[in-house]
Amino acid sequence: NAGVMQNPRHLVRRRGQEARLRCSPMKGHSHVYWYRQLPEEGLKFMVYLQKENIIDESGMPKERFSAEFPKEGPSILRIQQVVRGDSAAYFCASSPRPETDTQYFGPGTRLTVL
Amino acid sequence: GESVGLHLPTLSVQEGDNSIINCAYSNSASDYFIWYKQESGKGPQFIIDIRSNMDKRQGQRVTVLLNKTVKHLSLQIAATQPGDSAVYFCAESHTGGFKTIFGAGTRLFVKA
Repeated sequence: NAGVMQNPRHLVRRRGQEARLRCSPMKGHSHVYWYRQLPEEGLKFMVYLQKENIIDESGMPKERFSAEFPKEGPSILRIQQVVRGDSAAYFCASSPRPETDTQYFGPGTRLTVL
Repeated sequence: GESVGLHLPTLSVQEGDNSIINCAYSNSASDYFIWYKQESGKGPQFIIDIRSNMDKRQGQRVTVLLNKTVKHLSLQIAATQPGDSAVYFCAESHTGGFKTIFGAGTRLFVKA
């Protein structure tokens, strides 16, 4: 049973470009969470999605960031017009049910903005 | 605001010794607590969890203790091994919730 998959593992963008991060949850999991981690810091919640629905995006910056989890395909975290401060590791997690609470994490995408 | 914090940012132990990593939480509504292990360049890995109706839970070489009175959580690792070297995060949430709040992490060094 494959775990949570994320790609790309490393992404380099220049300021002003767009970054698209993909996450495929574990098989049977329909709940996806995105977190951001700065070096030597903990993970900060960004957004929680179910299939085709954003349930909680309270941790997402109001501008330039968006997320989706379509009926078919992976969840996408999109960052438009990236700035150097967006450089971080972005982790996706999934769970079978929110009330289970145990979230299983992917390996992360490390975004570097030049 | 709500926060989950750690008492010690780094911990160095001798191989074979027991390790204790501490964590404080401030949200009294939290009823579910998780410990994650994160190795360099990898995502957090679930270690063990505990719900607020329990004081102690044991896994393989790990034990989590929960003291609700003082809002304190600890992770005990028995017979620490070099492979245990990592950053350990405590996290909190509440039943039915989905916003897991992570602490800053404790880096564990295991000396051979």
